[in-house]
This record gives sequence, C-alpha cells and structure tokens, in this order.
Amino acid sequence: AQSVTQLGSHVSVSEGALVLLRCNYSSSVPPYLFWYVQYPNQGLQLLLKYTTGATLVKGINGFEAEFKKSETSFHLTKPSAHMSDAAEYFCAVRKAPGYEKLTFGTGTRLTIIP
Amino acid sequence: DTGVSQDPRHKITKRGQNVTFRCDPISEHNRLYWYRQTLGQGPEFLTYFQNEAQLEKSRLLSDRFSAERPKGSFSTLEIQRTEQGDSAMYLCASSLGGELFFGEGSRLTVL
Repeated sequence: AQSVTQLGSHVSVSEGALVLLRCNYSSSVPPYLFWYVQYPNQGLQLLLKYTTGATLVKGINGFEAEFKKSETSFHLTKPSAHMSDAAEYFCAVRKAPGYEKLTFGTGTRLTIIP
Repeated sequence: DTGVSQDPRHKITKRGQNVTFRCDPISEHNRLYWYRQTLGQGPEFLTYFQNEAQLEKSRLLSDRFSAERPKGSFSTLEIQRTEQGDSAMYLCASSLGGELFFGEGSRLTVL
C-alpha cells in the first residue's frame, strides 16, 4: 500500500527565506507524487507532480520538488517565501497509471513571518 | 468559471438525520472522486466513479454512506443516520485521468 509522511505539521519561515516542506513516501511500485496547496475555505489546488522523467519538477508560484528514490523523498521547496504562500500543503502519492486512488499526507501548515 | 461545484457548502444537522451532498464536476470529466477531510488530517479517499460506474469504495464508506452518479455527470453522496463522527469536510474532485480538480467542499457539522 502507498503512504506518505509529512514531517512537521507546522512550519514557520520569514518572508524572503527558503521554504522547505518535507515529504517521504512508501510505495511498492514506482509512484506518482503530488503536492497540493489548500487556502482557507478553498479546495485543493495542484502545485506540481512527478510521474516519470526528470526528477526535479517545477510547479506554480515558484515551487519545485525533487524526487529522490534512494531517500524515498519528495520535498517541496521555494527559494524565497512570500506572504501569499501561507496555506496548508499536502503531499500525495498514487500508483502508476490505471490506479486512481490518491493517498494524502496529514498536511503541513505554512506560516510566513513578516 | 466552470470548475467543480459542490452544494451545499455548509450543512448543520442533528444526529440521526440524513444528509445529501451534490457534486457537479467539470464538464466532460469522466472520473469523479469523493474524499473526506477531518480537522488536522489530509483528505481520505471514499469512492471513485468512471462515468456512471462506481469502481472503488473505501472501507471508510460504511453502509450508512451511499454515492451515486446516475448519468455519469453530477454525483450525490448521502449519509444516513448521521453520527457526530461524520462531521468533516466532504471534497469532490473530477478528472480526465490526469490532474484532479477539487471543489471547495461541503462542510458537515453533526450536533
């Protein structure tokens, strides 16, 4: 079965500082990996995804993530935090093609300090 | 904007009552998903439709829960004899097999 672990339920960074949100996965087969963002009272929005190919994936709003098979990790980064990045971030995994179920982590709430 | 639409956005009910949520997916999306999200947790998969066929159901979907997608377009999620533990945000998503597009959710509070 697939699962994800997000280390740190709350992360605070100063505006302009590096954002690093951690995600480790467990999968018996090559996974598809995703990061979603959820703003208050809104649905989830896809930030980026890894399926196959290049292990460094760029997403929207300046975020990127690197798939590291040896470390079973898919950490999310952004070089310079902006106030508008304050939100809840979810890492998710699913099996390769043909399997529809997404398994989400418990989320990391990102707070930006002015 | 023709994104995923959910109705109602908020529902407060008394324990033992039945509730129904509706999801209108993005037009032409053949896949539709229901997830449940409780406070401090990530979304948990409940069920998945491809067109009108319900292809997978989570063990979380007890016999008090039923979902339908009769014409392969909108879907309903009904909870019978609600319990306080059913209080959660119910999220709907649709796709064509790639990215999932989520609605804003229906928040259920059971008193």
